Amino acid sequence: GAVVSQHPSWVICKSGTSVKIECRSLDFQATTMFWYRQFPKQSLMLMATSNEGSKATYEQGVEKDKFLINHASLTLSTLTVTSAHPEDSSFYICSAAAPGQGGWRGYTFGSGTRLTVV
Amino acid sequence: SQQGEEDPQALSIQEGENATMNCSYKTSINNLQWYRQNSGRGLVHLILIRSNEREKHSGRLRVTLDTSKKSSSLLITASRAADTASYFCATDPDTGANSKLTFGKGITLSVRP
Repeated sequence: GAVVSQHPSWVICKSGTSVKIECRSLDFQATTMFWYRQFPKQSLMLMATSNEGSKATYEQGVEKDKFLINHASLTLSTLTVTSAHPEDSSFYICSAAAPGQGGWRGYTFGSGTRLTVV
Repeated sequence: SQQGEEDPQALSIQEGENATMNCSYKTSINNLQWYRQNSGRGLVHLILIRSNEREKHSGRLRVTLDTSKKSSSLLITASRAADTASYFCATDPDTGANSKLTFGKGITLSVRP
């Protein structure tokens, strides 16, 4: 089955530093990946759509200069939280599907990254 | 904006009982998907029902869709303690290309052994 690997699972960083989160599709190619943010006991909030070979599409209210997304290959998308602040502490999750499969078989999610900024 | 709205928001049942969760949405959809999330983990896709389908089964899961009422229900039969998790419905508006899902707020299911 489709597998998406997300690393790291958790990270603690100091305010002002940057953190990179990786999302890899292991057994399929993904032209599109999605990045979500989830606060405790809340739903997933879509942050951006990552498009292979082109710029990401950000949702309204999401700072593109703060949350840098790079989708350099068909199997890897990265989310970099720049100049992190404590309010950026959250659970970040990526998802992907093979081209055209999301609406047929659903999406595969990474295991998530718990970011704590101190 | 929140597309899917699940109810109840929390459900506690005894092992062996059935669990029914409902989801309502507001705009037209191509399909509706249900996901499970264990605490602190990513989401796992459970089942997808297309807009032209009314009912679908997968193992102990049964999902229904009523597009006239813009609602869906997920039934888990003979629940187990391992079914304890949060459940989300998500609506997919588009055909073909991978499109953005909109998630509901989620239902927390607790199954008591």
